[in-house]
This record gives sequence, structure tokens and C-alpha cells, in this order.
Amino acid sequence: EADIYQTPRYLVIGTGKKITLECSQTMGHDKMYWYQQDPGMELHLIHYSYGVNSTEKGDLSSESTVSRIRTEHFPLTLESARPSHTSQYLCASARLAGGHSPTQYFGPGTRLTVL
Amino acid sequence: AQTVTQSQPEMSVQEAETVTLSCTYDTSESDYYLFWYKQPPSRQMILVIRQEAYKQQNATENRFSVNFQKAAKSFSLKISDSQLGDAAMYFCAYTEEGSNYKLTFGKGTLLTVNP
Repeated sequence: EADIYQTPRYLVIGTGKKITLECSQTMGHDKMYWYQQDPGMELHLIHYSYGVNSTEKGDLSSESTVSRIRTEHFPLTLESARPSHTSQYLCASARLAGGHSPTQYFGPGTRLTVL
Repeated sequence: AQTVTQSQPEMSVQEAETVTLSCTYDTSESDYYLFWYKQPPSRQMILVIRQEAYKQQNATENRFSVNFQKAAKSFSLKISDSQLGDAAMYFCAYTEEGSNYKLTFGKGTLLTVNP
């Protein structure tokens, strides 16, 4: 199973602030993902990456942006946070290169509250 | 687009008893992967079990087993000898190469274990 880390675990900030949610994995996984989990617990893919310098938007439109400059690091940034961004954000990774099974492993999540 | 349906928003089971969580999915593909994930309250999403569609044998992991019915597009999870620690939200998920291995999740089943 992957070692995947997210910081901070909890964040309470005011409207208009710029924030970056960190996600790192130590297993050399090529694919990484960001999900938004709403209060009803439903999961929505907002960003994913196939590898370094490769990022794509997910199925749910999001005002956030991501970058993948290093294999192990996949940060998510909100330039100007709003109360509608209040949610749980989950990061995941998977190793597909080399024919591995496409199993995603999840980090502990960041619970964001925007006041 | 693929869809995953979990028809039981909530389930409950007595400690030491057996419970089955239902999942159906819709796909036109023959090669795909199915997963059950567990998310305890305020805790990390973890993989419970994985099934490759090309394998006829049902996957088993200790007290957790699946009933994979490919023709019926059904993928139920059986938890035997339920324990208090099994209480969690359970998500069924699907992925395939055609979607670049993005996961499609069901809406989840909240399992309560009664002592």
C-alpha cells in the first residue's frame, strides 16, 4: 500500500485568501488525483495527473489549479477561497506504469472550511 | 458513461453477524476493475478488496469477500463476523483503461455495527 501524505489535515481560513493543499507520495506512483468529497460523502474527481508536467481537469468543474513538477508532489491551489470551497479534499495515487493494477491509494484528506 | 449504483444508503448489522452490501454498475467494456473502499468516520479511505473483471474467481481478503456476477454487472461485498471496527462508509468503485483509469464511485453505503 502507498504512503501518501496530505497537509494540512484541517484548515480554517477567511474568504479571499490564497491556499495550497499539499499532497505527497513516496511510492513513485505515476498517476495522482484530487477528489472533492461533499457533505453527503459523494466523491468527485476535480484534477488528475499522468506524470510530471501532465495535468487534466476532472469531471467536476473546480476553480482550483494543480501542478506536477515532481513525481511525488501534487499540490492543489485556490487563488481566492470562498465559502463554496468548504469541503473535504482527498488526494490519491496509483502506479500504472509497468502494467500494474490501477488501484488508487488515498491520503488522509484535508478538511477545508472557508469563513 | 459508466455508472455505479449502491442502492442501500444505510445498513446495519449485529456484531459477529454477516452483512452484504450491494453494488451494480453499467459498462459496455469487458475488461475493467472493481473495488470496495472503506472510509471510517473522519478517517482515511482505505482499499478493502479489488476484483479484476477477467478473473472468474471471486476475490477474498480475510473476512471480506465479493460476489462478482459479470453478466449481471453486480459486485456485492460480504463482511463475515462483523466487528465494531467495520463501521464505516463503504464505496464501490469502477475503472477501465478507456477512462484513463479514472475511478467512478457509487454514492456509498453507511454501515453501522451494533454491539
